[in-house]
Amino acid sequence: NAGVTQTPKFRVLKTGQSMTLLCAQDMNHEYMYWYRQDPGMGLRLIHYSVGEGTTAKGEVPDGYNVSRLKKQNFLLGLESAAPSQTSVYFCASTRALYNEQFFGPGTRLTVL
Amino acid sequence: AQSVTQLGSHVSVSEGALVLLRCNYSSSVPPYLFWYVQYPNQGLQLLLKYTSAATLVKGINGFEAEFKKSETSFHLTKPSAHMSDAAEYFCAVSESNTGGFKTIFGAGTRLFVKA
Repeated sequence: NAGVTQTPKFRVLKTGQSMTLLCAQDMNHEYMYWYRQDPGMGLRLIHYSVGEGTTAKGEVPDGYNVSRLKKQNFLLGLESAAPSQTSVYFCASTRALYNEQFFGPGTRLTVL
Repeated sequence: AQSVTQLGSHVSVSEGALVLLRCNYSSSVPPYLFWYVQYPNQGLQLLLKYTSAATLVKGINGFEAEFKKSETSFHLTKPSAHMSDAAEYFCAVSESNTGGFKTIFGAGTRLFVKA
């Protein structure tokens, strides 16, 4: 069991560039989430999904889009990166609501 | 609306000393409460969780937390700190209401352990 994996681990973008972060889980979890982590602010929810083909906005969705075409994958897209999106991004999944979340190792993104 | 407040962004203890990391929450319904630990350059891992069973919850690595409804607190403790406990700790709350998802994380407390 690989658990939750994230690709890539690191990325540097220029302002205006686009990219997609990939999250994959092999635990057959229904729920998947994307968070960003910034110093002193904990984790903030960007978008989440309660099942294949469904997504919803979290606390800080602006500038991001997501898709969940397959149950095991959850993609986070940045259409036009901005320096304010410099952060560490974590994907997480959980079997059911209110259960513990399993986190990936994170993607460190820098936007210049 | 639910919220989580972790008192102290940094806590420093000596090896062998008591660890106490404070967490207060607010929730309009009975909450589910969690403590996660994050080691450098890694994702978060669950330490322990409270789900309305026993108020004293034991977790991994010798940590435990006590749910106190009257104080709306869920403080994390460990009797004797070890160097390997140095990490960042996050308290989180999920509400048990239906029809919506909400898990809120605290800002985190970084624990330093001195030799």
